[in-house]
Amino acid sequence: EVQLLESGGDLVQPGGSLRLSCAASGFTFGLYAMTWVRQAPGKGLEWVSAISGSGDRIFYADSVKGRFTMSRDNSKNTLYLQMNSLRAEDTAAYYCAIDSAFVDDYGTDVRGQGTTVTVSS
Amino acid sequence: QSALTQPASVSGSPGQSITISCTGTGSDIGGYNYVSWYQQHPGRAPKLMIYKVSHRPSRVSSRFSGSKSGNMASLTISGLQAEDEGDYYCSSYTASATWVFGGGTKLTVL
Repeated sequence: EVQLLESGGDLVQPGGSLRLSCAASGFTFGLYAMTWVRQAPGKGLEWVSAISGSGDRIFYADSVKGRFTMSRDNSKNTLYLQMNSLRAEDTAAYYCAIDSAFVDDYGTDVRGQGTTVTVSS
Repeated sequence: QSALTQPASVSGSPGQSITISCTGTGSDIGGYNYVSWYQQHPGRAPKLMIYKVSHRPSRVSSRFSGSKSGNMASLTISGLQAEDEGDYYCSSYTASATWVFGGGTKLTVL
């Protein structure tokens, strides 16, 4: 079964750090680009970052550039988001997602249930 | 990168068809055929309904269709059903090699 499972969300103080993980299973993880998307409480979706299948190309939204680092370990089928200098406005549910090439290959999308980050003192 | 523009809300009666618009620029929607649409129900993760402008994942009903003209993309839902009620978001790849979402549209089935 194809699955994505996010973890690592927690309550953290402003200025603090957190590392999110997204464990993938059921498919060849290293073949597909991956994305992090977040949603603040009561707000819309916001694209955060994306990484190529090999991990050599990474892109960030301006709102997190310089503070967040996205990476992947294809040997562990795991995606990461290292979040530093956290701000109240980073409070959100964070979702990992697979590139649309996966949908072309498998005919369906898969998405995790998200992990919640709360930045507050 | 500015968000794509969607109407805040749309509504329709069961059986009717509705269309949700998503307006961008030549640097996003107009420049690439990488427009996606997501459905989200309260408390749930967003679900991909349309990708690459008009492609539909296998588990998505054929009542959902997507199109694009210039800098505007559209999601049409035909034969509206109560279960279609929820929030809908468009997204597009951009010239900056990033992605941008629309602000979301709340669909109410009357």
